[in-house]
Amino acid sequence: SAVISQKPSRDICQRGTSLTIQCQVDSQVTMMFWYRQQPGQSLTLIATANQGSEATYESGFVIDKFPISRPNLTFSTLTVSNMSPEDSSIYLCSVSSYENTEAFFGQGTRLTVV
Amino acid sequence: GNSVTQMEGPVTLSEEAFLTINCTYTATGYPSLFWYVQYPGEGLQLLLKATKADDKGSNKGFEATYRKETTSFHLEKGSVQVSDSAVYFCALSNTNAGKSTFGDGTTLTVKP
Repeated sequence: SAVISQKPSRDICQRGTSLTIQCQVDSQVTMMFWYRQQPGQSLTLIATANQGSEATYESGFVIDKFPISRPNLTFSTLTVSNMSPEDSSIYLCSVSSYENTEAFFGQGTRLTVV
Repeated sequence: GNSVTQMEGPVTLSEEAFLTINCTYTATGYPSLFWYVQYPGEGLQLLLKATKADDKGSNKGFEATYRKETTSFHLEKGSVQVSDSAVYFCALSNTNAGKSTFGDGTTLTVKP
């Protein structure tokens, strides 16, 4: 298993500003992902964080809006840029070590944009 | 592409009632199937999993069987407790770079 620390756990931000969310894992993992969970909805994959290279974004998500870094196998950041109220959501970091195995999740960052 | 369909919720039960949450999937290849649980204010936790056809995953009294012929992975529990109140997500993962596909989630409320 993996223990994931994600911070901040919640924040209230002004529109037009940016917030960086950090994800720290207690062991080296192959794959790291960032998901968004809008109120009352399921998880939507934003991107796969790749170590030492640009993240791989899913359809509808772009690097300018959600820049991601992954400098090593245990750490990643997601920035939500130029925020609007529509960005209010829970953002979740997830990791897995092999294909076809379960994912482990951080506790999430609850973002409110006002 | 991959998809997961869960029964619509929310579901409200009395304590000790029987629980079934339906889940069906569409996927290429031979995916692994999962149920995750999300308690209020927390991230998702793995509840159980099955990696091949006819496997039964079980944990904390919950069970689900991987049915390839019906592409289903229904979650069951014989006697629910108030502490089982949470959101339950069915999910799959296959060789698509380790990504998971989630259902919409089913909110379970158990009343004393």
